[in-house]
Amino acid sequence: GQNIDQPTEMTATEGAIVQINCTYQTSGFNGLFWYQQHAGEAPTFLSYNVLDGLEEKGRFSSFLSRSKGYSYLLLKELQMKDSASYLCAVKDSNYQLIWGAGTKLIIKP
Amino acid sequence: GAVVSQHPSRVICKSGTSVKIECRSLDFQATTMFWYRQFPKQSLMLMATSNEGSKATYEQGVEKDKFLINHASLTLSTLTVTSAHPEDSSFYICSAERGDTEAFFGQGTRLTVV
Repeated sequence: GQNIDQPTEMTATEGAIVQINCTYQTSGFNGLFWYQQHAGEAPTFLSYNVLDGLEEKGRFSSFLSRSKGYSYLLLKELQMKDSASYLCAVKDSNYQLIWGAGTKLIIKP
Repeated sequence: GAVVSQHPSRVICKSGTSVKIECRSLDFQATTMFWYRQFPKQSLMLMATSNEGSKATYEQGVEKDKFLINHASLTLSTLTVTSAHPEDSSFYICSAERGDTEAFFGQGTRLTVV
């Protein structure tokens, strides 16, 4: 079956750095997405990786290793507003998005 | 600004009535849109794939007659929850993809059936 694994919850301190990992096992691979979702709101797009390596976007970076079926989202200079759930999703061979359960990130002052 | 608009954002309806939710892609054409359901503290659950001009593809376990999907144009898909019951209360979210690398979500609709 297809599977996306990410930690259920993480806690970090304001101003610090946090890395959220995602491992996947899917039938085919056509890209990996990271989304941010605040409670009660729809997800918002953060990043897309299809080739191995690091993609940097301001305070957020996303890394992909296709051979390891692994990605991480790196958040720097954490702010209180970064408290949210972070969803990892992979497009399989049918270009269907397979979703992880999300990682709830709690930022403490 | 939003590239996918979903309406309404909140709706409360009586048990047994039907509710229609609209999803529009604002500045691009979407031949395919997706409808998700999300329960509190859980991930997105794909309900169906809406295909413009043809029948929707439903995921296993999703009742086609209860969740009617219409994708009449390249910018509009609708989800109608028919004969709603309290167990249908949930957060419904649509998404549309622009190319292969961008997927945008609507704002979501919180449905409460009383």
